[in-house]
Amino acid sequence: AQKVTQAQTEISVVEKEDVTLDCVYETRDTTYYLFWYKQPPSGELVFLIRRNSFDEQNEISGRYSWNFQKSTSSFNFTITASQVVDSAVYFCALSEANWGAQKLVFGQGTRLTINP
Amino acid sequence: KAGVTQTPRYLIKTRGQQVTLSCSPISGHRSVSWYQQTPGQGLQFLFEYFSETQRNKGNFPGRFSGRQFSNSRSEMNVSTLELGDSALYLCASSLDGYQTSYNEQFFGPGTRLTVL
Repeated sequence: AQKVTQAQTEISVVEKEDVTLDCVYETRDTTYYLFWYKQPPSGELVFLIRRNSFDEQNEISGRYSWNFQKSTSSFNFTITASQVVDSAVYFCALSEANWGAQKLVFGQGTRLTINP
Repeated sequence: KAGVTQTPRYLIKTRGQQVTLSCSPISGHRSVSWYQQTPGQGLQFLFEYFSETQRNKGNFPGRFSGRQFSNSRSEMNVSTLELGDSALYLCASSLDGYQTSYNEQFFGPGTRLTVL
């Protein structure tokens, strides 16, 4: 069975600090996709990044970066120089690459609060 | 391009009633998935529709059902509402279910259902 664990329930930091959100996943599939979504107070899940299981290259997008390590089944997300607008709940998710199956398994989410 | 739209945004019902929620996917997207979000259980997959057919189903009772129309719009129905059905119901669409490289799901703002 697939499972995603986000051990950090809540994180609170002061603006401009760097913060890393942890994500550990379990799957028996050899081909799968990993995602990060952001959920601001408005409720809508905002897609941030997708990674497939064959691409372990880390990615940087502005202040955001992602570290994917298959050896430890982790897909961690780092925000550099955090801003108040980064405050939200962040979800890590896993999808099997099954033809015709669009199903995301989510972690419990990490509530990130950036204090001014 | 317009995003995923969901109607209504808020709904209050009483136990035993039934409810229908609507979702219009992003233009050109043929896969529509539904998720339930509660504080206790987090984000859970309900079902997914593609070309008017249910392709995948989560672990929810038969009171939860859905359908998809020829224009890819989808509805979900919950019959005999229970207090525990109070949740944020999120709809997501994706471009093409058969192309695994295109399975990012884009979410709507959700319908917040309160059962009294």
